[in-house]
Amino acid sequence: GAGVSQSPRYKVAKRGQDVALRCDPISGHVSLFWYQQALGQGPEFLTYFQNEAQLDKSGLPSDRFFAERPEGSVSTLKIQRTQQEDSAVYLCASSATRYQETQYFGPGTRLLVL
Amino acid sequence: DQQVKQNSPSLSVQEGRISILNCDYTNSMFDYFLWYKKYPAEGPTFLISISSIKDKNEDGRFTVFLNKSAKHLSLHIVPSQPGDSAVYFCAAGKEGAQKLVFGQGTRLTINP
Repeated sequence: GAGVSQSPRYKVAKRGQDVALRCDPISGHVSLFWYQQALGQGPEFLTYFQNEAQLDKSGLPSDRFFAERPEGSVSTLKIQRTQQEDSAVYLCASSATRYQETQYFGPGTRLLVL
Repeated sequence: DQQVKQNSPSLSVQEGRISILNCDYTNSMFDYFLWYKKYPAEGPTFLISISSIKDKNEDGRFTVFLNKSAKHLSLHIVPSQPGDSAVYFCAAGKEGAQKLVFGQGTRLTINP
């Protein structure tokens, strides 16, 4: 596979609904990151995985946000009981090793909560 | 607390001229810096990076300059081309911390 892929590309959810966003990193990449990008702003860090271990979840805005990467490749970001303020683009990125600074981003999932 | 700032929301440059995008940071612990380019409905694309042990890095038409004492970095694009029109983000990281801190972005428009 070429780059990082994410699905769905667009998601409309009713307030209170649960959503799950998927990320397929570049094959073999050890590190995986989730970022949230609000309109007109830069991406903001949510959480980081090294293989299957979630080493940093300091950016998750509330306990409604949960991420996993059970086999060290594909990752899922789950948002429970969505709120309007969760509307944003959710970006996934991967890097080759734990020491590799360059992160490669997917196209993002645009979430709109009505 | 905005640790990485891009104070110009937009910049317009004539095709063929130099584009200079600026970025300031406040955290002296940052030790590497990156520039990303973003087209609408796409994710950020990595352009160029620089480590804090250097003050300049070049890659083709793109050059990044780092002034650690001023906590300032800039991206120079020479010559500017219409395909360079996009939003540019600078980002900073600390060794061992993994996560990147991004600026708000600057929208660059190259006019023919």
